[in-house]
Amino acid sequence: QSALTQPASVSGSPGQSITISCTGTSSDVGSYNLVSWYQQHPGKAPKLMIYEGSKRPSGVSNRFSGSKSGNTASLTISGLQAEDEADYYCCSYAGSSFVVFGGGTKLTVL
Amino acid sequence: QVQLQESGPGLVKPSQTLSLTCTVSGGSISSGSYYWSWIRQPAGKGLEWIGRIYTSGSTNYNPSLKSRVTISVDTSKNQFSLKLSSVTAADTAVYYCARGRIAAAHFDYWGQGTLVTVSS
Repeated sequence: QSALTQPASVSGSPGQSITISCTGTSSDVGSYNLVSWYQQHPGKAPKLMIYEGSKRPSGVSNRFSGSKSGNTASLTISGLQAEDEADYYCCSYAGSSFVVFGGGTKLTVL
Repeated sequence: QVQLQESGPGLVKPSQTLSLTCTVSGGSISSGSYYWSWIRQPAGKGLEWIGRIYTSGSTNYNPSLKSRVTISVDTSKNQFSLKLSSVTAADTAVYYCARGRIAAAHFDYWGQGTLVTVSS
């Protein structure tokens, strides 16, 4: 299983919206609605932000949303805030009981 | 509130076996709705799924590590463990334990992570 492909970095100004893509294959992202997204601040454990493609856990701001089209999943953050600056990772079920992560995207809030 | 805590040696010599334990509190590890995973992250790099165990004892491993990995569970202690054999410097990473939901592929609770360095 190869890692899912994410852009290395994205940036945006406070109040703007940004989207992070996560490209897989027809064997993982394209075949299952089981993509999750994690936020990781430096030195901290990852935090679940989106699961099953578009669902938000309790306590996660509705500024975070997820979607999928074909083999690519996306995380959109609207109304960017300084506290959103972090690394973001996507994750997908890859069949045969395997899980694969993306390489991560560094979000900079300008 | 479920909490997970990793423990184990922070330094392992090359060719030896890395051993870590994750202690689960605030809930039973025997809950039928979840599985228990290990995930690692080399410094400055991304997350890598190592494998998972169900409370039945059934396991799944990352194919790239399968020959060296063993994950086990001790329900009496509410713990699960990782053993990674024949380690090299490439296995130096922060190791996380995490809870996953059965029939899904997301991890809702994570330990704080523990740094394991492979060095002589």
